[in-house]
Amino acid sequence: NAGVTQTPKFQVLKTGQSMTLQCAQDMNHNSMYWYRQDPGMGLRLIYYSASEGTTDKGEVPNGYNVSRLNKREFSLRLESAAPSQTSVYFCASSPRARTSGMADTQYFGPGTRLTVL
Amino acid sequence: AQSVTQLGSHVSVSEGALVLLRCNYSSSVPPYLFWYVQYPNQGLQLLLKYTSAATLVKGINGFEAEFKKSETSFHLTKPSAHMSDAAEYFCAVSVDTGNQFYFGTGTSLTVIP
Repeated sequence: NAGVTQTPKFQVLKTGQSMTLQCAQDMNHNSMYWYRQDPGMGLRLIYYSASEGTTDKGEVPNGYNVSRLNKREFSLRLESAAPSQTSVYFCASSPRARTSGMADTQYFGPGTRLTVL
Repeated sequence: AQSVTQLGSHVSVSEGALVLLRCNYSSSVPPYLFWYVQYPNQGLQLLLKYTSAATLVKGINGFEAEFKKSETSFHLTKPSAHMSDAAEYFCAVSVDTGNQFYFGTGTSLTVIP
């Protein structure tokens, strides 16, 4: 049981390049999330998916796209990377289904450290 | 709108001393409250959560937090700090109307031998 896994662990991009961050969970969770963590800012939600086939914007979605490929996988894509997207990206999942009405514990992956030059 | 304020971005305590990390929240509806810990170069791990049951919540590693509605606070405490407690601590709030969590900016705890 690996929990939440993320690839890659580190990435350096040049401005304008594109890339996809991969996330997978093996806990049969319904909801998945992408956050970015910046010094002094805490974690900010980029996108989330409350169930397979649905995605919604979070607090800071601009410059990102997501795909909920299946129940296990939730990817984050940067189409044209900018230096402002230099950050540590965390994927998380929670058991919660859309209509559960309860706030679940979120389980986090180890993070991807992205630098955009 | 929901928000979380963590007072003190850095806290230092001596080994064996009381740990107190402060968290205040604002929420228009009864919230769910969480404390997470992040060790260097790792993801976040749940310490404890409040979900409207007992107001004093016990978590892992000897930590506990008390929900005080009148003060809109959810401060984290541990009676005796250990060197292994050195980490970044995040308070988070969520409500049952959506999937969104709102995290505080974090408090870095240093434990002095």
